[in-house]
Amino acid sequence: QSVLTQPPSASGTPGQRVTISCSGSSSNIGSNPVNWYQHLPGTAPKLLIYSNNQRPSGVPDRFSGSKSGTSASLAISGLQSEDEADYYCATWDDSLNGSWVFGGGTKLTVL
Amino acid sequence: QVQLQQSGPGLVKPSQTLSLTCAISGDSVSSNSAAWNWIRQSPSRGLEWLGRTYYRSKWFNDYAVSVKSRITINPDTSKNQFSLQLNSVTPEDTAVYFCAREVGADLDYWGQGTLVTVSS
Repeated sequence: QSVLTQPPSASGTPGQRVTISCSGSSSNIGSNPVNWYQHLPGTAPKLLIYSNNQRPSGVPDRFSGSKSGTSASLAISGLQSEDEADYYCATWDDSLNGSWVFGGGTKLTVL
Repeated sequence: QVQLQQSGPGLVKPSQTLSLTCAISGDSVSSNSAAWNWIRQSPSRGLEWLGRTYYRSKWFNDYAVSVKSRITINPDTSKNQFSLQLNSVTPEDTAVYFCAREVGADLDYWGQGTLVTVSS
């Protein structure tokens, strides 16, 4: 059972805008910045968004992130076939001795 | 460009020790601004953080409560790498294991992952 809650799947057609939600609590999303990752099985997860809404160099501006309270969202606009992947949210959790916590992942299908 | 290259056996027998290594290029395991993490992924548990090592004038380790009694993460400054040892493994420890660099509040670079199966 993942600490952060994501929908298991999402889909869209090329060119559409898709959003993926990530819900947590006051000890994790409510207190710390959120990262988003794109993952293709067999490869290293790729950092898409850091500090809630910042894009690393090389990540297209079609990807954007936001956070409000204990929830965060990843939006992908102008959907492309190569966006088909698993997407995960992550943040630090201040409870117990502290730990990184993750969402269960959202499988994005481009129809 | 930071790269993390993982190595280690893909099959471990129950009750034995799982050992993996993550070789770092483009950064230093002794960096005062980075931490070096191990994370695993399984269908039943999703992504699970296991622990980290980092240097801030001396070496520190943080471990997840769920594995704290069984885990050791060690830096190797001579080879610029860090390792994971997980003792007394069971089939529940079967997972894809990742190493990752942490800078600031971000896990920014990850290794490619190593599937470790615990089976006799």
